[in-house]
Amino acid sequence: AQSVAQPEDQVNVAEGNPLTVKCTYSVSGNPYLFWYVQYPNRGLQFLLKYITGDNLVKGSYGFEAEFNKSQTSFHLKKPSALVSDSALYFCAVRDPGSGNTGKLIFGQGTTLQVKP
Amino acid sequence: DGGITQSPKYLFRKEGQNVTLSCEQNLNHDAMYWYRQDPGQGLRLIYYSQIVNDFQKGDIAEGYSVSREKKESFPLTVTSAQKNPTAFYLCASSSGRQAEAFFGQGTRLTVV
Repeated sequence: AQSVAQPEDQVNVAEGNPLTVKCTYSVSGNPYLFWYVQYPNRGLQFLLKYITGDNLVKGSYGFEAEFNKSQTSFHLKKPSALVSDSALYFCAVRDPGSGNTGKLIFGQGTTLQVKP
Repeated sequence: DGGITQSPKYLFRKEGQNVTLSCEQNLNHDAMYWYRQDPGQGLRLIYYSQIVNDFQKGDIAEGYSVSREKKESFPLTVTSAQKNPTAFYLCASSSGRQAEAFFGQGTRLTVV
């Protein structure tokens, strides 16, 4: 069964410092991987995705993520954090073998706190 | 404007009542999803539908029901069999396996 793990409930970083939010996955084949951000009492907003090709993908708001097949990881990164990046971040995986669109499974979420 | 709309934003239910949450999309997406969000538990999949007139149970389908009579609409009914329905419910849609999902703004359901 496919699954996603975000091992950190919260990540704290100072403004201007680099940030990393971790994600590991488990699927039977080659995964489709996604990162989303959620602000309080709102829906999720898409940040970036990995489908195939270059292991480093770039997304919205200066975020990027690195796909590592051997470590089954897809960590979210940003070179310089902003206070406005403070939010709840979700990693998600879709099993490419599960039908036309298939199940989209989310991790537990990681709260990012950026302090001035 | 294209998008996905959930209504109402806030919903209060008395114990023993069924309630229906609305989800409508005008993105022409085939797939639609319902998730439940509780603090510290992330998003858990309730039901999903890949095509009209077809849907599959997710990880926590007990106490919920759905229908997919139209491509644009995927309503979720929270039945009296759901013992702990208080949560934030999110609807999403997607156009294909490689595509990201678009989310509505959510419905916060509270049992009173």
